[in-house]
Amino acid sequence: GNSVTQMEGPVTLSEEAFLTINCTYTATGYPSLFWYVQYPGEGLQLLLKATKADDKGSNKGFEATYRKETTSFHLEKGSVQVSDSAVYFCALSKQGGSEKLVFGKGTKLTVNP
Amino acid sequence: DAGVTQSPTHLIKTRGQQVTLRCSPKSGHDTVSWYQQALGQGPQFIFQYYEEEERQRGNFPDRFSGHQFPNYSSELNVNALLLGDSALYLCASSFPGSYVQYFGPGTRLTVT
Repeated sequence: GNSVTQMEGPVTLSEEAFLTINCTYTATGYPSLFWYVQYPGEGLQLLLKATKADDKGSNKGFEATYRKETTSFHLEKGSVQVSDSAVYFCALSKQGGSEKLVFGKGTKLTVNP
Repeated sequence: DAGVTQSPTHLIKTRGQQVTLRCSPKSGHDTVSWYQQALGQGPQFIFQYYEEEERQRGNFPDRFSGHQFPNYSSELNVNALLLGDSALYLCASSFPGSYVQYFGPGTRLTVT
């Protein structure tokens, strides 16, 4: 079945450091890929998405590129801020929309001033 | 524009009891999905409702059931609660064909 594997956390960085959170997936066909973020005590917010191979999703300085050849969707940010501290989830859904999301286990990021 | 709302925020129940959680979708959305998020884990899909029918279901026992009302709001019912049902229950809404699901803040269920 479909699955998502994320790098184990927690990840601790200093402000302005470069961030990479690795995500790989297993799926049949051409899934859509997502990064969601969960701030303490809150629900999930969509951070970015990509719906076909080679698409780059971007938002709030975060980027991820859909790489079908390596089945990956790594999250990157050039300069993190304290306010980026949260749990980040990689997820996929089958192509076509309105499909269930399959999530990774999440990676907790802490950014220190 | 109100986002997805869920009630209650927190709930404590005893093993064997039954619980009902509620969700109101974002305005304009008619599809509601429910997820269970255990502590330290990613959300797991329970089921999805569209046009008052269960359209997809994840790998959860029949103790988990749901309902969608004509105004698109939804309920999640869990019978015969187990300690392992303690989790954050998330509701998400979308409109047909959309790739994006919008999540509510969740209901924290504790089973003692």
